[in-house]
Amino acid sequence: DSGVTQTPKHLITATGQRVTLRCSPRSGDLSVYWYQQSLDQGLQFLIQYYNGEERAKGNILERFSAQQFPDLHSELNLSSLELGDSALYFCASSTTSGQHTAKNIQYFGAGTRLSVL
Amino acid sequence: AQSVAQPEDQVNVAEGNPLTVKCTYSVSGNPYLFWYVQYPNRGLQFLLKYITGDNLVKGSYGFEAEFNKSQTSFHLKKPSALVSDSALYFCAVRLTGMNYGGSQGNLIFGKGTKLSVKP
Repeated sequence: DSGVTQTPKHLITATGQRVTLRCSPRSGDLSVYWYQQSLDQGLQFLIQYYNGEERAKGNILERFSAQQFPDLHSELNLSSLELGDSALYFCASSTTSGQHTAKNIQYFGAGTRLSVL
Repeated sequence: AQSVAQPEDQVNVAEGNPLTVKCTYSVSGNPYLFWYVQYPNRGLQFLLKYITGDNLVKGSYGFEAEFNKSQTSFHLKKPSALVSDSALYFCAVRLTGMNYGGSQGNLIFGKGTKLSVKP
């Protein structure tokens, strides 16, 4: 068990809908990362938050947004869903951000499998 | 652009034989390199990392990896494979330094290599 908790495990929804994925990082971790894993794109970085603030953006669509709350949990919001958004969404956490970030291990949750029908 | 390549989609090994899962990278500057493993319906589990120092890095479950700067490779190895090692393996690189538009924290992953160990 990595200590990173993601809910729900599975999500089935229809095109055009909006969903929220939730992540609780490991105790003490201030950085949260979101990744998308799909068959065609592989594992891609979406966005990073550190202590409530956005730190970096990757290949995140404008229809997607995220936030990190004062208790450090994070939510990834996906709206106007399309069939192509079906994927496994992972959250990862690590202890720090900034110039020491690169040395730190990212611990991954079990993921949320999103199916858009 | 920074990238990681895992040239083999699948590696098949007999139990007890040595295994190698290949990874090459292309980044500016000195990379931090990682291997993760993903079992079915599970998240990614950290195996090992190279930051600096000894080119041979030892990690979890008997795995090790060799960093080769001249060949820009970071191959994952294990002397004796187990059936339970069958899983999807990902190599990843992390950008270092502060000149990547703030994205120095995220991992760039390879496509993954499926390891199948047969009894």
